[in-house]
Amino acid sequence: GAGVSQSPSNKVTEKGKDVELRCDPISGHTALYWYRQSLGQGLEFLIYFQGNSAPDKSGLPSDRFSAERTGGSVSTLTIQRTQQEDSAVYLCASSLGQTSTDTQYFGPGTRLTVL
Amino acid sequence: AQTVTQSQPEMSVQEAETVTLSCTYDTSESNYYLFWYKQPPSRQMILVIRQEAYKQQNATENRFSVNFQKAAKSFSLKISDSQLGDTAMYFCAFMKAYSGTYKYIFGTGTRLKVLA
Repeated sequence: GAGVSQSPSNKVTEKGKDVELRCDPISGHTALYWYRQSLGQGLEFLIYFQGNSAPDKSGLPSDRFSAERTGGSVSTLTIQRTQQEDSAVYLCASSLGQTSTDTQYFGPGTRLTVL
Repeated sequence: AQTVTQSQPEMSVQEAETVTLSCTYDTSESNYYLFWYKQPPSRQMILVIRQEAYKQQNATENRFSVNFQKAAKSFSLKISDSQLGDTAMYFCAFMKAYSGTYKYIFGTGTRLKVLA
């Protein structure tokens, strides 16, 4: 597709369940980012993938959060044993990963609600 | 560590008027990039404008322009001839490349409402 896509667009789950959020970046983009946007807040960086390098996980809030990127393309963000404070919009973005032209393009996000 | 501050949580402007959103940042770096993103109620973040720190000329994109003051670490966004479709959250962002890693820091946003 032409842009970054994310699925599902909305997810409602019960406390304690695991969830998986998917991101399809723009074709050819080597960099992929996950952010969390809580109600009324800015963007909180979670994790960054660049090509085949080890991901920058410095933003993950706890060990219940993990992410992988298969084949340098699709990424999945997994939240285990969800808590109510995990409720937020999870945004994915991709970029070319080149300094001179690096600009992030965002997906529409997944709104996660933990009951 | 870099920080980005947007001191105006909410603003409003009359249609066809001009509005300026402020953004300040703190960094010890000399080469970096600055961005303004728009997030309408539909939630999709859209790039509005981008500025390279090594360029003195202010970036412009149609009705959107920036006032980049590197020494003051200020990066404000001016929207001219405001339209109803400009109603959105606006985020200022700082980006720096570090040996293969790209760090983006976002401000907390300014909610802009354009009034008919």
